[in-house]
Amino acid sequence: DIQMTQSPSSLSASVGDRVTITCRASHDISNSLAWYQQKPGKAPKLLLYLASRLESGVPSRFSGSGSGTDYTLTISSLQPEDFATYYCQQYYFTPQWTFGQGTKVEIK
Amino acid sequence: EVQLLESGGGLVQPGGSLRLSCAASGFTFSKYAMSWVRQAPGKGLEWVSSISGSGGRTFHADSVKGRFTISRDNSKSTLHLQMNSLRVEDTAVYYCAKDSLEGRVYPNQVDFWGQGNLVTVSP
Repeated sequence: DIQMTQSPSSLSASVGDRVTITCRASHDISNSLAWYQQKPGKAPKLLLYLASRLESGVPSRFSGSGSGTDYTLTISSLQPEDFATYYCQQYYFTPQWTFGQGTKVEIK
Repeated sequence: EVQLLESGGGLVQPGGSLRLSCAASGFTFSKYAMSWVRQAPGKGLEWVSSISGSGGRTFHADSVKGRFTISRDNSKSTLHLQMNSLRVEDTAVYYCAKDSLEGRVYPNQVDFWGQGNLVTVSP
């Protein structure tokens, strides 16, 4: 089974900060990676797919990069509505999806 | 507007059964692979099952294989998850999830999610 290791598991940041979350796959997933945002009590929301493609309607402060086994989600200037938990998902081995453990972004 | 409305969750004893349903609207249901993803209380996301648009191909995680069955009724735009031999560790919020691109047998990223349906397995 493919493993997705996400880090950090949590972080504290202030409004306006640049935030970076990483996701490492145990095998090359050839950019078959999505990022989701989840707020408490709500369903996840798709932010990016194919590692770096922004989903329609998602603010441009969100960006993704990476290749092979290592991927990054960056929020260029953290906004109050961005405090949430973020998950990566590999779908290279679809339909055997694997999600990262999540990164909780909290207010400093 | 895409909507996925789930129903059928609740409290059940270990060894019992439940059937989850997800009523879809706002898109051509039969053209999209659909999936179930669950989230145990305070935990991360776990893929459970997927089904192709036609219903001809189904896939299940090892943790539920032989106990859960995904199916769909394209005439009613409804997705189902039949859950048998339930275990305490199956306790979770279950989300139905729509593939982002029509025509795929194997789903990729999810562009719409249901609101979630809590299944609690407890003696």
